[in-house]
Amino acid sequence: KAGVTQTPRYLIKTRGQQVTLSCSPISGHRSVSWYQQTPGQGLQFLFEYFSETQRNKGNFPGRFSGRQFSNSRSEMNVSTLELGDSALYLCASGQGDRGTGELFFGEGSRLTVL
Amino acid sequence: AQSVTQLGSHVSVSEGALVLLRCNYSSSVPPYLFWYVQYPNQGLQLLLKYTSAATLVKGINGFEAEFKKSETSFHLTKPSAHMSDAAEYFCAVEIQGAQKLVFGQGTRLTINP
Repeated sequence: KAGVTQTPRYLIKTRGQQVTLSCSPISGHRSVSWYQQTPGQGLQFLFEYFSETQRNKGNFPGRFSGRQFSNSRSEMNVSTLELGDSALYLCASGQGDRGTGELFFGEGSRLTVL
Repeated sequence: AQSVTQLGSHVSVSEGALVLLRCNYSSSVPPYLFWYVQYPNQGLQLLLKYTSAATLVKGINGFEAEFKKSETSFHLTKPSAHMSDAAEYFCAVEIQGAQKLVFGQGTRLTINP
């Protein structure tokens, strides 16, 4: 069974640009969550999608957005990049049943903003 | 609000020694608790989870954790450390009613030969 796949693994952007990250969940999983990991703030929840609908959202500005497609694949977009957006962005998939919580993480997309 | 606190951002033990990584949680309802491990340049891997069944939970790689409601703790232990255990460990609590995790700040475990 294939794991969670994130692309690209590494990317470098400059301030003001925008970026799109992609995540393919485990087959059969309908929930995809995104987390930002930085040395200073640790792991922070961005948002969760379930059956193409955003079900939960973290405390991030509107520059951070996402979507989920009918095949459960998800993308997140960050517009008008700032230096502080440099981070490891982790995608996690789950079956979507509330109360089980078990998530399976991809290896992440490491974004560097110059 | 649900939260977790990991005591000690860095823990160093000798190979073969006991590993103890501390996690305390805050929750007004019975929590679901997790320990994840992250190796360099990789994502997070689930070590074990507590979902209100047995209070002593056994996970992968010889790790286990005990849920203690009276102490609001969920400490992670391993009797004998291996060099391969060197990684960062995260305790997490699931937000009630949502498939969303709140993570502690992480503990970096170093194993000395």
